[in-house]
Amino acid sequence: AQSVTQPDIHITVSEGASLELRCNYSYGATPYLFWYVQSPGQGLQLLLKYFSGDTLVQGIKGFEAEFKRSQSSFNLRKPSVHWSDAAEYFCAVAGVGSGTYKYIFGTGTRLKVLA
Amino acid sequence: NAGVTQTPKFRVLKTGQSMTLLCAQDMNHEYMYWYRQDPGMGLRLIHYSVGEGTTAKGEVPDGYNVSRLKKQNFLLGLESAAPSQTSVYFCASSYSRDTEAFFGQGTRLTVV
Repeated sequence: AQSVTQPDIHITVSEGASLELRCNYSYGATPYLFWYVQSPGQGLQLLLKYFSGDTLVQGIKGFEAEFKRSQSSFNLRKPSVHWSDAAEYFCAVAGVGSGTYKYIFGTGTRLKVLA
Repeated sequence: NAGVTQTPKFRVLKTGQSMTLLCAQDMNHEYMYWYRQDPGMGLRLIHYSVGEGTTAKGEVPDGYNVSRLKKQNFLLGLESAAPSQTSVYFCASSYSRDTEAFFGQGTRLTVV
């Protein structure tokens, strides 16, 4: 069955440090992959997406993600975290599985940034 | 430049009451979705629609019904609310099944 796993529920980093948020997916074909960010009390905003082509994709706010088919992963990275990056991050996968269309999300990773 | 608008933003219901959540989008999107967000559970898809007049079940459809009579609107109904339906509900829309989803600001529903 189609699924998305974010193994880290909480991550804490110091401002200026690098960041990597993990995402693993289970899907029979190449899915469409997304990363969203949610600030407290807000809806979700798209950071970046991968459909095909270059496996390293650039997004907004200095984020990037790398699609690794062999590892079924789509990890989100940022070289230097800012305090304003504190939020919850969701990985999502869209596509057709078992004959039905699904657009599903992982359980999220909450990022805390230390000053 | 409204995007996706959800009404109401907050609601408290008594067990057994019914209500309808309204989602409206002004982007001419074909796909619309209803999710619920619970702590530690992420967003779970309740129902979705791939076009006017169509609806389909998502991961957690029980206790909910939906309708898409107009392309721009997607309604989520609770016929007999239960405390387990206390959650934050998000509506989203997308142009197609493989494009960015745009989200509303959410509806916080409490069932007592």
